[in-house]
Amino acid sequence: EIVLTQSPGTLSLSPGERATLSCRASQSVSSSYLAWYQQKPGQAPRLLIYDASSRATGIPDRFSGSGSGTDFTLTISRLEPEDFALYYCQQYDSAPWTFGHGTKVEIK
Amino acid sequence: QVQLVQSGAEVKKPGSSVKVSCKASGGTFSSYGINWVRQAPGQGLEWMGGIIPVFGTANYAQKFQGRVTITADTSTTTAYMELSSLRSDDTAVYYCARELGRYPFFGYWGQGTLVTVSS
Repeated sequence: EIVLTQSPGTLSLSPGERATLSCRASQSVSSSYLAWYQQKPGQAPRLLIYDASSRATGIPDRFSGSGSGTDFTLTISRLEPEDFALYYCQQYDSAPWTFGHGTKVEIK
Repeated sequence: QVQLVQSGAEVKKPGSSVKVSCKASGGTFSSYGINWVRQAPGQGLEWMGGIIPVFGTANYAQKFQGRVTITADTSTTTAYMELSSLRSDDTAVYYCARELGRYPFFGYWGQGTLVTVSS
């Protein structure tokens, strides 16, 4: 199965700063079949990005995804207070569909 | 607007089974995959399996093969996940999640169902 490694585990930033989250796959994810989710405490995950770089409906344009092959990035251009949360990547290229262990973006 | 509403929290004994439901409203139920993802306390997300209701055949993660059964009733637009031979490490929040399109990424999520396995 494809193992996704997210880094860093925790990102401590201030509102207004730029956040860069990494997701590295143990083998190439073809056709960029990679998604990003945001999860807040006590809530279900919310889809942010699919196909590595396509924003889901209603997602602000400060969220962007990039990458291909084994290296993918989620960028939040300017952190808003509501963006402090957990972020997961997920690959859907090869079953079983797998998730990374998450990056927590916390207020510095 | 698609909504997924799951059944309520459960407390189960080790060795027993649990069946969680996921009622869908809005959108087209039969054509899009419904998947089950679980999250143990303080842990990440784990895909268990999924089903496309119109086809009726489920796919499962190997880890859960033989212990999980996913079904869907198109007449009631409800999907089910049954997990048997429960262990303490099955304690988790179980989510149903619907695919947004043709591929298994998840644009719609249920609210989650906490299953606690304890003697």
